[in-house]
Amino acid sequence: QKEVEQNSGPLSVPEGAIASLNCTYSDRGSQSFFWYRQYSGKSPELIMSIYSNGDKEDGRFTAQLNKASQYVSLLIRDSQPSDSATYLCAVTTSNAGGTSYGKLTFGQGTILTVHP
Amino acid sequence: KAGVTQTPRYLIKTRGQQVTLSCSPISGHRSVSWYQQTPGQGLQFLFEYFSETQRNKGNFPGRFSGRQFSNSRSEMNVSTLELGDSALYLCASSFSGSLGYTFGSGTRLTVV
Repeated sequence: QKEVEQNSGPLSVPEGAIASLNCTYSDRGSQSFFWYRQYSGKSPELIMSIYSNGDKEDGRFTAQLNKASQYVSLLIRDSQPSDSATYLCAVTTSNAGGTSYGKLTFGQGTILTVHP
Repeated sequence: KAGVTQTPRYLIKTRGQQVTLSCSPISGHRSVSWYQQTPGQGLQFLFEYFSETQRNKGNFPGRFSGRQFSNSRSEMNVSTLELGDSALYLCASSFSGSLGYTFGSGTRLTVV
């Protein structure tokens, strides 16, 4: 089983629709969860972080975390063609001392295409 | 505020050679991590440095090494290059790892 798995893509949605991206993780010790966006030929860009169960909203983006189900998702409302990119789910795990040792474990990414 | 700076942007090396990549983190960030990105394997963690100490290491052979200097700048070295080392090498920095990492533009390494 992969440590971080994302829903298989590619995902295609019409402009103005809601895009839903899902991610599951295997390590119950994971404490920090991130969504990165990566445009073709560019480096990953952090768009959302979430640390506790529930929803976190930032503009058109909403991250949802359910630690019991080991599940994290990203909703993009009013999708725009400029949202077309690969979305990467990443998790970190802190040790007993509460320190994150800098390791992000990434999913394989979901390619999102928003068509006009 | 300057972002994470990686140099060089592109490199072409021959099998058997060695290469050194450089990363300057965002000012004030002391944690620097390195990743390898390939189409087949995605983003894979190489190692992380904090205050000149390697705190974590991924599952890569010993040919991959790194270091961090007192000003938090970091270098990564790959010795005895193999064709399979061709990849995008990304550096990321963070003030606190739990707050997320900012990536540099990467170094595209091609081994021929």
